[in-house]
Amino acid sequence: GENVEQHPSTLSVQEGDSAVIKCTYSDSASNYFPWYKQELGKRPQLIIDIRSNVGEKKDQRIAVTLNKTAKHFSLHITETQPEDSAVYFCAASLDYGGSQGNLIFGKGTKLSVKP
Amino acid sequence: DSGVTQTPKHLITATGQRVTLRCSPRSGDLSVYWYQQSLDQGLQFLIQYYNGEERAKGNILERFSAQQFPDLHSELNLSSLELGDSALYFCASSPGANVLTFGAGSRLTVL
Repeated sequence: GENVEQHPSTLSVQEGDSAVIKCTYSDSASNYFPWYKQELGKRPQLIIDIRSNVGEKKDQRIAVTLNKTAKHFSLHITETQPEDSAVYFCAASLDYGGSQGNLIFGKGTKLSVKP
Repeated sequence: DSGVTQTPKHLITATGQRVTLRCSPRSGDLSVYWYQQSLDQGLQFLIQYYNGEERAKGNILERFSAQQFPDLHSELNLSSLELGDSALYFCASSPGANVLTFGAGSRLTVL
């Protein structure tokens, strides 16, 4: 089955700096890669996702890149703000095209943005 | 409010007991997923249902079982509870080939 590795487990940056979180997956058939943000005591919420037919996707200060050959994808947050502090999870799944497969999550990265 | 409703929000019980967690997916979503999140741990996939049928099974213990009913709501049954079963249990739903939306979770404490 799919296995997702996520690094680093903790990341501390100064406000305004960039943050990068990296994930690798094992199943080359996986074709859907979302990122979720979980604030303390709250539910995970989708912040951005990418499918295997796209190499990069941006949404304001957030971007995700995908390297299918290396089975590697990354989350980039620019101009970080204190409200970006949270745990970020990457995930991978196989989208059957009508019924999405189960998401397998990485273990999470705790991002702390210092003012 | 995400549209995915989980009850109860909090549950405290004793070892050896049995509990049932309930999830109502977003209107129109056919898939329901259950995840377990222990303290400082990631999201462990337990089981997925699609339109009433089991679709995929993850690291779900034999003491745990789930089902999805004709009205698409789902229940996760946890029996012979152990201290290590204390965790936050999330339900998520999706319409099919789209993103998962998570509920607020049910926090289970086993004493």
